[in-house]
Amino acid sequence: EPEVTQTPSHQVTQMGQEVILRCVPISNHLYFYWYRQILGQKVEFLVSFYNNEISEKSEIFDDQFSVERPDGSNFTLKIRSTKLEDSAMYFCASSEQGGPYNEQFFGPGTRLTVL
Amino acid sequence: AQSVTQLGSHVSVSEGALVLLRCNYSSSVPPYLFWYVQYPNQGLQLLLKYTSAATLVKGINGFEAEFKKSETSFHLTKPSAHMSDAAEYFCAVSGENRDDKIIFGKGTRLHILP
Repeated sequence: EPEVTQTPSHQVTQMGQEVILRCVPISNHLYFYWYRQILGQKVEFLVSFYNNEISEKSEIFDDQFSVERPDGSNFTLKIRSTKLEDSAMYFCASSEQGGPYNEQFFGPGTRLTVL
Repeated sequence: AQSVTQLGSHVSVSEGALVLLRCNYSSSVPPYLFWYVQYPNQGLQLLLKYTSAATLVKGINGFEAEFKKSETSFHLTKPSAHMSDAAEYFCAVSGENRDDKIIFGKGTRLHILP
């Protein structure tokens, strides 16, 4: 069964460093998302991406964040200069079509720890 | 604004007992509502969703949820718990514009007692 994969499963970085979190969405999906969950808090929407551009982004998704689909398979989230408060589990998701009627399939997450 | 509140961060039930996970929502538009499950070291998996058709929604693994507009609730139930049901469960609501954004609750960890 096709699934969304994410690498690495755990990333440890120093404050101020850049990190790139990688996701491989399901191959025929066209809509891509990033969510994050700070320990003990809600899963929060970060950004949605379609047709090589951002469809929507949350207040959390400031200038330190960027997303890219560098090739036909990967979807990346870059944090340019990490802060302690960026420590969280980051989930990638993809769906065949957009909108709430269509299921978003989630990856297992990348746990980011900023020291 | 869209939000969901899950009552109880941890719920324990005995194997074979009824599972009831509570979720209340707030929505400025008729909502789409979801329950997701996360097993250890896995991604979030959709259990079921309400999209304004039948108010009683059946999902995978024997779970179901009932949309009650008067109570702004969407509680998740399963008649008989199984050890394999131990996981984290997330209630969620669609964004105000019914776009791609999903707004999640904090999650409820379900423990199954032998």
